[in-house]
Amino acid sequence: AQKVTQAQTEISVVEKEDVTLDCVYETRDTTYYLFWYKQPPSGELVFLIRRNSFDEQNEISGRYSWNFQKSTSSFNFTITASQVVDSAVYFCALSRISTGNQFYFGTGTSLTVIP
Amino acid sequence: GAVVSQHPSWVICKSGTSVKIECRSLDFQATTMFWYRQFPKQSLMLMATSNEGSKATYEQGVEKDKFLINHASLTLSTLTVTSAHPEDSSFYICSASGSKNIQYFGAGTRLSVL
Repeated sequence: AQKVTQAQTEISVVEKEDVTLDCVYETRDTTYYLFWYKQPPSGELVFLIRRNSFDEQNEISGRYSWNFQKSTSSFNFTITASQVVDSAVYFCALSRISTGNQFYFGTGTSLTVIP
Repeated sequence: GAVVSQHPSWVICKSGTSVKIECRSLDFQATTMFWYRQFPKQSLMLMATSNEGSKATYEQGVEKDKFLINHASLTLSTLTVTSAHPEDSSFYICSASGSKNIQYFGAGTRLSVL
């Protein structure tokens, strides 16, 4: 069975602090995709990143960085120098390639950046 | 990135009426669309997978006669909540599967049943 766990339900940080959102997943598939989405108060989910299970290279995009560790089944997301606009709920998700792109979402981490 | 349009964004209806929600992929063709339901401060719950030209695949526990899904074209899927009741009040989100297995989401529809 597939499962995505985001143990942190709510996090508050002061602006300019760094913050890491944890994501741990379970799957028996050898090939899969991992995703991070941002859901601001408006409700729309915004795609942030997709990672192929074969690619364990860490990725950096501006203030965002992702650490994929297949050995620990983790795909953590770090925001550097957080800003108030980063306040949102962040979802980690796993996609099974074998079943036509069905997504499994974590329960989300609500991030509040305090000015 | 790809754009998915969902309409309406907010609807209030009386108990017993039906509500239709539209999901359109604006700049790509989507053979597969997904419908999710999200309760406050909770994750997205997959309701059904909508396949163009065929019947939708519903997740366990989702009433297919209650939540009618139609995917008549490669750019449009509709979800109709039939005979809505207050317990159907929720946030409904659609997504369309684009290239590279990325799902692009609509802005969601907030349904309130009085």
